[in-house]
Amino acid sequence: TQLLEQSPQFLSIQEGENLTVYCNSSSVFSSLQWYRQEPGEGPVLLVTVVTGGEVKKLKRLTFQFGDARKDSSLHITAAQPGDTGLYLCAGSRHITGGGNKLTFGTGTQLKVEL
Amino acid sequence: GAGVSQSPRYKVAKRGQDVALRCDPISGHVSLFWYQQALGQGPEFLTYFQNEAQLDKSGLPSDRFFAERPEGSVSTLKIQRTQQEDSAVYLCASSLTGGLRQETQYFGPGTRLLVL
Repeated sequence: TQLLEQSPQFLSIQEGENLTVYCNSSSVFSSLQWYRQEPGEGPVLLVTVVTGGEVKKLKRLTFQFGDARKDSSLHITAAQPGDTGLYLCAGSRHITGGGNKLTFGTGTQLKVEL
Repeated sequence: GAGVSQSPRYKVAKRGQDVALRCDPISGHVSLFWYQQALGQGPEFLTYFQNEAQLDKSGLPSDRFFAERPEGSVSTLKIQRTQQEDSAVYLCASSLTGGLRQETQYFGPGTRLLVL
């Protein structure tokens, strides 16, 4: 059961367009991470947001953590074909005894065409 | 050094067979995680080790799934009497300590299991 819902599930756009991916949950997380995954590979971390209301920018990518730390968004400006991949949000929760486990979202498959 | 490695990369099993999936974490990483990923979906947590101790196995789907990390480095995920619903990509991840909420987990490429 995945507690984090992402929308849209699929997105196909032209190079140069802007897009936003949403990640919503009814649960509060201590931090939220965004990953990108390409076929045949594991997810690769893009960013971690910790504080409610936090905004982080990574080149053309802007990440925002909701004030209540339940939701997040990823905005890509002027998308490029190299942005193609599966985008995953993941909420972090503490494990009794130490460590943190991730609860992943349902994923957004992005395709950017020339 | 090298990243997280997993073997085999692909495994085809007949229903009812036992399989063993191996994960070599980044050297020195204390924490090791196993996830299961269905096609086009996000990974789902299976189990977590801190050194050799299995601190959380709440995500294991049934008692047919068993994981171990006897010396605190390499880990093996074993699935007994495989069923078709076990077909998925099994991802392994490691992190340096696991104590920080914002610590990075480094993922391996996964083992794609197909049960016929």
